[in-house]
Amino acid sequence: EIVLTQSPGTLSLSPGERATLSCWASQGVPSNYVAWYQQKPGQAPRPLIYDASSRAPGIPARFRGSGSGTDFTLTISRLEAEDFAVYYCQQYGSSPRTFGQGTKVEIK
Amino acid sequence: EVELVQSGAEVKKPGESLKISCKGSGFDFTNYWIGWVRQMPGKGLEWMGIIYPGDSDTRYSPSFQGHVTISADKSINTAYLQWSSLKASDTAIYYCARHFGYFGSQAYGDYWGHGTLVSVSS
Repeated sequence: EIVLTQSPGTLSLSPGERATLSCWASQGVPSNYVAWYQQKPGQAPRPLIYDASSRAPGIPARFRGSGSGTDFTLTISRLEAEDFAVYYCQQYGSSPRTFGQGTKVEIK
Repeated sequence: EVELVQSGAEVKKPGESLKISCKGSGFDFTNYWIGWVRQMPGKGLEWMGIIYPGDSDTRYSPSFQGHVTISADKSINTAYLQWSSLKASDTAIYYCARHFGYFGSQAYGDYWGHGTLVSVSS
C-alpha cells in the first residue's frame, strides 16, 4: 500500500499569499495518478486536480498541481477567502487507493 | 446534471445491521465506478472500496475487506454500502463518489454525494 504524507499539517496564511502544499508518497505513484481535493466544514470533498497536474472542470487557474514519482505539490497562487479549507491528496495508481492525512489552510 | 444522492442519516445500536445507498442520475451509471469513502469525526478521508455497477466488479481496501459489503443495483442506478453488525467505531460520515475508471487517467472522484452520517451508540 502506498502511504501518502502531507505537509505541513497546518498552513497559516493571509489572503493574497501563496500556498504550497506537499504530498510525499512512500513509493512511486504509477503514471503520477494523483488527485487533490478541497474540503470545507460540513461539505463533501471537491476535486481540484487530477493526474497530478490537470485542473478539474470549473477549477480556477490559481490552483496548480505539479510533481512526479514520489513528490507532489499543490500550489494556490494567491489565496482568496473561499480557499481556506482542508486539502487532501490521493493516489489512484496503485491498489488500494489511499489518501494523505490532509493539510489545513487557515487564515493568519 | 450529474448527481449522487445519498440516503439520510442513521442512528443505530452496536450489533445492528445497516445498508446505506447512493443513487446516481444524469449519467450512464453502468459505465462508471462508484467508490465509498469514510470520514470519522474530525478526521481525514479513508478509501473503503469501489464497484463497477455494469458487472458488479468490486474492490476493497484491505482495511475494510470483510467489515463492509459494497453492492449495486444497476436497474435503479443505486450503489450500496452495508454492515451486518455495526460497532461504535463505525460512527462516521460515508461519501460515495463517481469515478471514470478504477485505474488510469482521470480515474479520480469527479462527483461526490453529500454524505451519510452514521451514528452507532448504545
